[in-house]
Amino acid sequence: GAGVSQSPSNKVTEKGKDVELRCDPISGHTALYWYRQSLGQGLEFLIYFQGNSAPDKSGLPSDRFSAERTGGSVSTLTIQRTQQEDSAVYLCASSAGLAPYEQYFGPGTRLTVT
Amino acid sequence: AQSVTQPDIHITVSEGASLELRCNYSYGATPYLFWYVQSPGQGLQLLLKYFSGDTLVQGIKGFEAEFKRSQSSFNLRKPSVHWSDAAEYFCAVGGPTDSWGKLQFGAGTQVVVTP
Repeated sequence: GAGVSQSPSNKVTEKGKDVELRCDPISGHTALYWYRQSLGQGLEFLIYFQGNSAPDKSGLPSDRFSAERTGGSVSTLTIQRTQQEDSAVYLCASSAGLAPYEQYFGPGTRLTVT
Repeated sequence: AQSVTQPDIHITVSEGASLELRCNYSYGATPYLFWYVQSPGQGLQLLLKYFSGDTLVQGIKGFEAEFKRSQSSFNLRKPSVHWSDAAEYFCAVGGPTDSWGKLQFGAGTQVVVTP
């Protein structure tokens, strides 16, 4: 069906507020990834969900960041008490269980913290 | 620790000329290597991948890459560039010492194509 979708496409928030970013993976994809893309920094891995396994949270930069995946499908990335350094494009990707490295990326959410 | 280095932040190439983008990696085991492309206004797309076997791999859009273990490199090449190849290109590494499917990306190389 459709590709990976993310919402909102843009989010402007004030420093200290909480934000939630949503990702809808491709139907049937068991793996879901969150990355952060800052200007000139490339893609930074944040968290990885694979089926029913415990997520790999090794890339989350601080305990202000968390993510969940409900029903093995939709995922929400939450950033609490946002800081200006959180401003970036947050990308979500999904992949099929048998081809985890062939990741399909969404368009991203551009987060601006003022 | 594993890492990916793309030495060239920005490359300008004339349409029809050849293109080579450099990628060097550091990985504790035999790596899996990938090139992704991010075109303006579009999401990242997988160009090609290397897991094992033939060290010269072909990808989409006429791109190829060569794995050179002795140089820890996986450079991307295209013999004749088209204007539509203007984009940002990311090299990525994964493998057996990481979670299955987890990728580490380089900082990217921005390619500008001139007429």
